[in-house]
Amino acid sequence: KAGVTQTPRYLIKTRGQQVTLSCSPISGHRSVSWYQQTPGQGLQFLFEYFSETQRNKGNFPGRFSGRQFSNSRSEMNVSTLELGDSALYLCASSSIYGYTFGSGTRLTVV
Amino acid sequence: AQSVTQLDSQVPVFEEAPVELRCNYSSSVSVYLFWYVQYPNQGLQLLLKYLSGSTLVESINGFEAEFNKSQTSFHLRKPSVHISDTAEYFCAVSDQGEYGNKLVFGAGTILRVKS
Repeated sequence: KAGVTQTPRYLIKTRGQQVTLSCSPISGHRSVSWYQQTPGQGLQFLFEYFSETQRNKGNFPGRFSGRQFSNSRSEMNVSTLELGDSALYLCASSSIYGYTFGSGTRLTVV
Repeated sequence: AQSVTQLDSQVPVFEEAPVELRCNYSSSVSVYLFWYVQYPNQGLQLLLKYLSGSTLVESINGFEAEFNKSQTSFHLRKPSVHISDTAEYFCAVSDQGEYGNKLVFGAGTILRVKS
């Protein structure tokens, strides 16, 4: 059974640009959630999607957005990038048995 | 809202010694608890989980954790660590609300195994 796939693995962007990250969940999983990991703030919840609907959202500014497609694949977008957005972005695919994480996308904003 | 406290930011230990990584969570009617491990430049790997049933849960690589409802704790233990166990460990609780689910993480504990 394939795991959670996140692309790309690494990204370098300039302040003010926007970025889109992708996540393909485990086949059959309908819930996808996103987390930001930084040395200062740790692991923080961004949002959760279930059957193409955002079901839950963390305390992040509106520059952070996401969506989920009919095949459960999800994307998150960050607009007007700031230096503080540099982080490891993790996607998790979940079922009633728990959460499985991808390897993450390391975003560096310069 | 749920919260998780990992009491130690770093735990140094010699190889083959026992270790305990401590985790406390805020009280709730029902909880699902997890331990994840993260190696450098990698994502989170599930170590073990408590969903229901036996309060002692075990992983395939020798770790175990005990759910203690009265003390709201879910400490992680291993009787004999290896160099390869050096990593950061995160305790998490599943916050299941009316508007969806999310994981709430502790700040993490870095386990450093020395030879």
